[in-house]
Amino acid sequence: DIQMTQSPSAMSASVGDRVTITCRASQGISNYLAWFQQKPGKVPKRLIYAASSLQSGVPSRFSGSGSGTEFTLTISSLQPEDFATYYCLQHNSYPPTFGGGTKVEIK
Amino acid sequence: EVQLVESGGGLVQPGRSLRLSCTASGFTFGDYAMSWVRQAPGKGLEWVGFIRSKAYGGTTEYAASVKGRFTISRDDSKSIAYLQMNSLKTEDTAVYYCTRSGFDPWGQGTLVTVSS
Repeated sequence: DIQMTQSPSAMSASVGDRVTITCRASQGISNYLAWFQQKPGKVPKRLIYAASSLQSGVPSRFSGSGSGTEFTLTISSLQPEDFATYYCLQHNSYPPTFGGGTKVEIK
Repeated sequence: EVQLVESGGGLVQPGRSLRLSCTASGFTFGDYAMSWVRQAPGKGLEWVGFIRSKAYGGTTEYAASVKGRFTISRDDSKSIAYLQMNSLKTEDTAVYYCTRSGFDPWGQGTLVTVSS
């Protein structure tokens, strides 16, 4: 199975900060990488697909980059509604595997 | 509007069975693969399994943790995907989500609690 190592596992940030979350795949996955946001008690929401494509309706402050084994989710200017847990997912091969999550908290 | 609604969760004893349903609307269900993903209380997301569309044989894939115990099926005439869970274990306790091919969108989830 492909392991997805997500870092950091938690972070504190302030409104307006630039936030970067990284996912590293244990082997190459091309661009079969998605990013999800999950708020407490809510359903995961896809933000980014194909590593860098922005989901319709998602604010442009979210962006994704990377290919192969290294991927990044960037929030250019953190907003109050962005405090949540973020997960990456590889679906290049079975089984699809999620990263362990990054909890973004208010500093 | 694309919508997925799970049902069938509840409290069940270890070793027993439960069947979850995922009712879809707002899209041509038969054209899409469907996945199940679960989330144990306070934990991360875990892919459970997947069923391809009939155009791709309607075949299934499963996570190692559920293979041989869980079965995914679909009824395209009713736009429903099923997750049959047998020989349930306490570690199967989780919110179970269904999601369309590409992992978008997700249903609201249904809680399965396995406990004596």
